[in-house]
Amino acid sequence: GEDVEQSLFLSVREGDSSVINCTYTDSSSTYLYWYKQEPGAGLQLLTYIFSNMDMKQDQRLTVLLNKKDKHLSLRIADTQTGDSAIYFCAESEYSGGGADGLTFGKGTHLIIQP
Amino acid sequence: DSGVTQTPKHLITATGQRVTLRCSPRSGDLSVYWYQQSLDQGLQFLIQYYNGEERAKGNILERFSAQQFPDLHSELNLSSLELGDSALYFCASSLTGQLDGYTFGSGTRLTVV
Repeated sequence: GEDVEQSLFLSVREGDSSVINCTYTDSSSTYLYWYKQEPGAGLQLLTYIFSNMDMKQDQRLTVLLNKKDKHLSLRIADTQTGDSAIYFCAESEYSGGGADGLTFGKGTHLIIQP
Repeated sequence: DSGVTQTPKHLITATGQRVTLRCSPRSGDLSVYWYQQSLDQGLQFLIQYYNGEERAKGNILERFSAQQFPDLHSELNLSSLELGDSALYFCASSLTGQLDGYTFGSGTRLTVV
């Protein structure tokens, strides 16, 4: 079955870059997503990448996809205290007929040190 | 405000009871997805509806059911509740699914005592 793995915690200093990693098993994944969840809130879509892309950049966020190794990463440049949250990697496989639920990793807690 | 509205925000109920969670999707979105977030299982996809019809089932228990109404709002019914059903239940909506992403509501926190 599908599986998405992430490290549980990442601690970085304010101003440094954060790199959150994710591996997935489903080779037919078509879209891969990064979501952010702040305490007591829902999930906020940060960015996504189609499986035929290697990289996507959006302001401070850079997503790298290594399809051969089934490895996805999210780099946050100049990490700020407001970036403190849980970051979820998710994959979606389009199985036809409009069925496309997401499979999530367990989430990485990003901790910012002053 | 994401545009996806979930009610109630919090729910406390006893084991064996039945509850209904409600979701209003973002205006124009046709698909509604339900997810369960618990400490041990993480975020689990439960079920998807598209324009009133069931499209996909994930790890949804037989005690749980859902439907999507003509006005596109959706309800998730949880019955014969157990302590282990305590979790955050999220609803997400989308117009085209993968192509435009999924917008999540703030969730309903269910506590079974």
